[in-house]
Amino acid sequence: QQQVKQSPQSLIVQKGGIPIINCAYENTAFDYFPWYQQFPGKGPALLIAIRPDVSEKKEGRFTISFNKSAKQFSLHIMDSQPGDSATYFCAATFTGGGNKLTFGTGTQLKVEL
Amino acid sequence: EADIYQTPRYLVIGTGKKITLECSQTMGHDKMYWYQQDPGMELHLIHYSYGVNSTEKGDLSSESTVSRIRTEHFPLTLESARPSHTSQYLCASSRTGYGYTFGSGTRLTVV
Repeated sequence: QQQVKQSPQSLIVQKGGIPIINCAYENTAFDYFPWYQQFPGKGPALLIAIRPDVSEKKEGRFTISFNKSAKQFSLHIMDSQPGDSATYFCAATFTGGGNKLTFGTGTQLKVEL
Repeated sequence: EADIYQTPRYLVIGTGKKITLECSQTMGHDKMYWYQQDPGMELHLIHYSYGVNSTEKGDLSSESTVSRIRTEHFPLTLESARPSHTSQYLCASSRTGYGYTFGSGTRLTVV
């Protein structure tokens, strides 16, 4: 059973555009929501994370928007660059339950010049 | 730089061979994980450990086994490799309440 649904599966934007990747979760006990960025041949790297007590978090060009009532969260990449082309995974966990992350299915982002 | 190391980086091995994929972390994290991933595809949890002498099977059934004798070391073993085991294997570690740190992975090819 997929507890974190991620969309779209793939996304192509022009340089400077703002790609948005969406995730929805089912388990209301989840209390930590990280995003990972993965380049080909590398392991995923933690990009940014949010906890449900805030509705938005920004780190550089990356922003997470969180809607607790809708059980949804999204990643926005401002002023996207070709170097942002990668696969992005959302995830969620209940930290009191052993910190085992449930990952989304991933979004392949391509930023074109 | 990630403080979690996986060796070998690439491995090509014949069917029926026994292999061990190494994973070590220097961050003192109590929790460690093994994921299986085909290129650009979903991450599937195959094993995890909450501490020394603690190991559990993950969501994806796997013929591999793991051990956790030391906090920093979490090797994965396949007793008899088969072509269906061809994949990328990613090791990760964490402490409670925080995200995972992943290694660079081992790309395994069984011929």
